[in-house]
Order: sequence, then structure tokens, then C-alpha cells
Amino acid sequence: DGGITQSPKYLFRKEGQNVTLSCEQNLNHDAMYWYRQDPGQGLRLIYYSQIVNDFQKGDIAEGYSVSREKKESFPLTVTSAQKNPTAFYLCASEDRNYGYTFGSGTRLTVV
Amino acid sequence: SQQGEEDPQALSIQEGENATMNCSYKTSINNLQWYRQNSGRGLVHLILIRSNEREKHSGRLRVTLDTSKKSSSLLITASRAADTASYFCATVEGGYSTLTFGKGTMLLVSP
Repeated sequence: DGGITQSPKYLFRKEGQNVTLSCEQNLNHDAMYWYRQDPGQGLRLIYYSQIVNDFQKGDIAEGYSVSREKKESFPLTVTSAQKNPTAFYLCASEDRNYGYTFGSGTRLTVV
Repeated sequence: SQQGEEDPQALSIQEGENATMNCSYKTSINNLQWYRQNSGRGLVHLILIRSNEREKHSGRLRVTLDTSKKSSSLLITASRAADTASYFCATVEGGYSTLTFGKGTMLLVSP
């Protein structure tokens, strides 16, 4: 079955820690995206990548970093510089003719 | 930045009734997409409508697009309890490929 896998489903971070969220797709899509969702809110774009070894900042990139070394993988690191990281993080890949396919999300909580 | 704005914010109906959600946006678009999100889950793509299309159907879903009014509507006919979810519209602006989401409409369908 083709799709996007995000892991872990739940993640707890201590103050000052960096954590990395995994996103893997087997849809052969070129473009991948990371969004953040806060309660009762829409999605806000963090980073996106249209092609391997290239990525661009979205609307709220500060405190986050990404890499795109393989077409299938687009991990997101939430750094200690992100002051309010508690949120639901969603990864997606894109078919230009169809739309986005989303993973099931990672819920990050700062403890 | 938030491009789309859904209306109403919340909608409560009985099974079998139709549900209509509206989306307004600000700038010219390449296409508009509707997504569904069940509580705590990832988003599921419903329909993509291009700027040169006026109406699209998919099963019990009907989407209209009025580019002169910068608005779209999603109609769910003969609703079911399983349709209970949040519904988001998202736009792709001309020349860009990233999706910009609204805050969503929360639909509750009671048996």
C-alpha cells in the first residue's frame, strides 16, 4: 500500500532538547511538506521540498530544520530555539494533479 | 498567512440532511482543494477544483468555485454520522505550489 508514514505518533520533549520527527513516503512524489496545527486552527507551513537536496522555508520556519537527502524521506527537527513547540505536526507529499497525501501526524508535547 | 476562511466555524445537523460549507479567499488561485480531518488524525483529500472549473462532483460531494467572488462551497448530501469531522479548504496561489489552509468548519452529524 502506498502512503506516508509519520513516526512517532506521540513525542515528549524536555525544555532545551532537539527532537526529530520522521516522515517517509513510498508514493514516488517529488514534493514534500511539513505543517503545524494548533488546537482549533488551520495548518501552517513550516518547510517544504520540491526535490531532493533542496528545501524552502514556509511561513513559520524559525526554530525548525529539515533535510531531504532521499526522495522518500523528509525529517523535521524541532530545535530548542522553537519556544512553543507543543502542537500536532503533519507531513504531506504532493501529486500535482490530485492534491496532497497526509501522514497521520505526530503530537509533540513539551514536558 | 491564512488565505482561505471557512464559514460557518461549526455546523450541527441530523443524519440525512445536507451540509453546506463555504470558503472565501483573498488572492487569485491556481486551484482550490477540500480536505477532511477526523479528530486527532491526518487530513484526507476530498476534491481538487481548478480555477477554470466551476463545479465538481465526487460521490455525495459537490464543490463549486466562483472566482469572481473568490469563494467556494462544499455540499455533502444525505449526510451520515461518519461524516462528522473538520473540513478545510486550501488554495494554491498562481505561480506557487504550496497549499494555504483556512481554519476549518467543524461538522457534527447526529444519528
